[in-house]
Amino acid sequence: EIVLTQSPGTLSLSPGERATLSCRASQSIYSSYLSWYQQKPGQAPRLLIYGASSRATGIPDRFSGSGSGTDFTLTISRLEPEDFAVYYCQQCVWSPYTFGQGTKLEIK
Amino acid sequence: EMQLVQSGGGLVQPGGSLRLSCTASGFSLSTYWMSWVRQAPGKGLEWVANTKLDGSETHSVDSVRGRFTVSRDNAKNSMYLEMNSLRVDDTAVYYCVRGSNPAWGGGPFDPWGQGTLVTVSS
Repeated sequence: EIVLTQSPGTLSLSPGERATLSCRASQSIYSSYLSWYQQKPGQAPRLLIYGASSRATGIPDRFSGSGSGTDFTLTISRLEPEDFAVYYCQQCVWSPYTFGQGTKLEIK
Repeated sequence: EMQLVQSGGGLVQPGGSLRLSCTASGFSLSTYWMSWVRQAPGKGLEWVANTKLDGSETHSVDSVRGRFTVSRDNAKNSMYLEMNSLRVDDTAVYYCVRGSNPAWGGGPFDPWGQGTLVTVSS
């Protein structure tokens, strides 16, 4: 089973700042199979990024993904108030299709 | 608009059974892998099981194998999760999700259903 470790667990930032979230895999993942999701309280998760760097439909361009192999990054260039949420990475290549434990992005 | 609407769920005693349903609109279920993902209260996301386009293949996580069965009825554009021998640690919100890559069973997952709470407690 591929283990995904996200860091930090909690990130405290202010609107307008840049956020950098990390996801590290226990073994190499083909870039096409790494996704990022956003979840707000009481809501279902929403797909943000797939294939490590492609934005899903309707996702603002302040969200970007990068990385390959075992190290991946989600960057939010300038935080908007609606971006404060929990973010999960997920590998889609090997069953079971595991998620990271999440990074909570909170307002400082 | 592509949408997944879920039904079922509720309170059940340990050892009991429950069936979840998921109906798609805005797209044909028959052209996508479909999965169930769950989230225990205050915890992260866990992929549970999936079913291939025509239902000929299903896969599941070790913790539910032999207890949970995923199935689909493409004529009704619906997917189901039959849960037996339920345990307290199966308590979670269960989401049905579409695998947006038709050739692959693991995702990425989009869209997501609204979620349905399953509570296993005596």
